[in-house]
Amino acid sequence: KNQVEQSPQSLIILEGKNCTLQCNYTVSPFSNLRWYKQDTGRGPVSLTIMTFSENTKSNGRYTATLDADTKQSSLHITASQLSDSASYICVVSLTRTGANNLFFGTGTRLTVIP
Amino acid sequence: DVKVTQSSRYLVKRTGEKVFLECVQDMDHENMFWYRQDPGLGLRLIYFSYDVKMKEKGDIPEGYSVSREKKERFSLILESASTNQTSMYLCASSPDRMTGYTFGSGTRLTVV
Repeated sequence: KNQVEQSPQSLIILEGKNCTLQCNYTVSPFSNLRWYKQDTGRGPVSLTIMTFSENTKSNGRYTATLDADTKQSSLHITASQLSDSASYICVVSLTRTGANNLFFGTGTRLTVIP
Repeated sequence: DVKVTQSSRYLVKRTGEKVFLECVQDMDHENMFWYRQDPGLGLRLIYFSYDVKMKEKGDIPEGYSVSREKKERFSLILESASTNQTSMYLCASSPDRMTGYTFGSGTRLTVV
């Protein structure tokens, strides 16, 4: 069964600290993996997208890693800011065409406190 | 700046009402999608469209219909709203089937 699981479900960190969010997937055949940031009450916004051959991709203070062999990805946030408080969603695509080739994790809710 | 615009941020409707959720994109994207998002369940695909007047069912189409009369507009219709359709509804578009999606800001629908 194709699945995407994220951990932890929620996380609270102090401003300025680093954190790492995890995404494990069983989706196959794999095409790409995306991380989205979703502020409360808003739509998701893309942070990174990685294909099978990419191990690391950065977007400012966000760095995503991908291990296609173990089917794991992580999102590392450096020097967290209050504005990083949001849900972070991992999305994995199959290589087949069709809209329902996307599999969404249920997200990690990050809260950054002063 | 490219945009996907959903017409309402918040809606409150009564059970049995017909509800229209509108979505407009200005990126000339071929593909448009409607999802609903519920706590603990993630995003679930309701309907999608790859072209004008074309529509396909997603994973949870029951109780919903869609309309795409123009390329830039994709409407989600709840024929007779029910309380279990209370949810956050997200519209998205993409230029092709493999590129990342651009999401709208969402519509929080409450059916009472």
